[in-house]
Amino acid sequence: DIQMTQSPSSLSASVGDRVTITCRASQGISNSLAWYQQKPGKAPKLLLYAASRLESGVPSRFSGSGSGTDYTLTISSLQPEDFATYYCQQYYSTPPWTFGQGTKVEIK
Amino acid sequence: EVQLVQSGAEVKKPGESLKISCKGSGYSFTSYWIGWVRQMPGKGLEWMGIIYPGDSDTRYSPSFQGQVTISADKSISTAYLQWSSLKASDTAMYYCVRHESGNAFDIWGQGTMVTVSS
Repeated sequence: DIQMTQSPSSLSASVGDRVTITCRASQGISNSLAWYQQKPGKAPKLLLYAASRLESGVPSRFSGSGSGTDYTLTISSLQPEDFATYYCQQYYSTPPWTFGQGTKVEIK
Repeated sequence: EVQLVQSGAEVKKPGESLKISCKGSGYSFTSYWIGWVRQMPGKGLEWMGIIYPGDSDTRYSPSFQGQVTISADKSISTAYLQWSSLKASDTAMYYCVRHESGNAFDIWGQGTMVTVSS
């Protein structure tokens, strides 16, 4: 199985900050990487897929990059509604398709 | 509107059986995979398995193989997740998700909370 290592597990940031979350796969996943946002008590929501493609309706302050085994989610200017937990997920080749452990973004 | 609507919260005793559901609407139910994702209290997301309602092709995560059964009834656009004998460790929120082959999970159900307690 492909393991996904996400870091950091939590971070504190202020409104307007630039935030970066990283995800490393245990083997190459050819950009088959998604990022999800989950707010307390809610289902996760797809933000980006194919490593860098923004899902319809997602603000452009969210962006993704990376290749091979290393991927990054960047929030260019953190907004109050962005405080949440973020998960990466690989969907490369055959299942199981694994998630990272999550990164909780908290208010500083 | 494309959506997945899940059945309501359940409270069960250890050893009981359970079947929860996920009804798709607003799209061709037989053209997309439906998966199930577990989230234990205060924990992260775990992929459990998927089914293709068009032909009932089913795959399981090794962690959940033999522990749950995934099925679907395409005539009513509904997928199911069932347990034959629940354990306290099955207490979790369960989400159904939609995805195309080779793509991310684009639609999520609202979740079904399952509580197993004596």
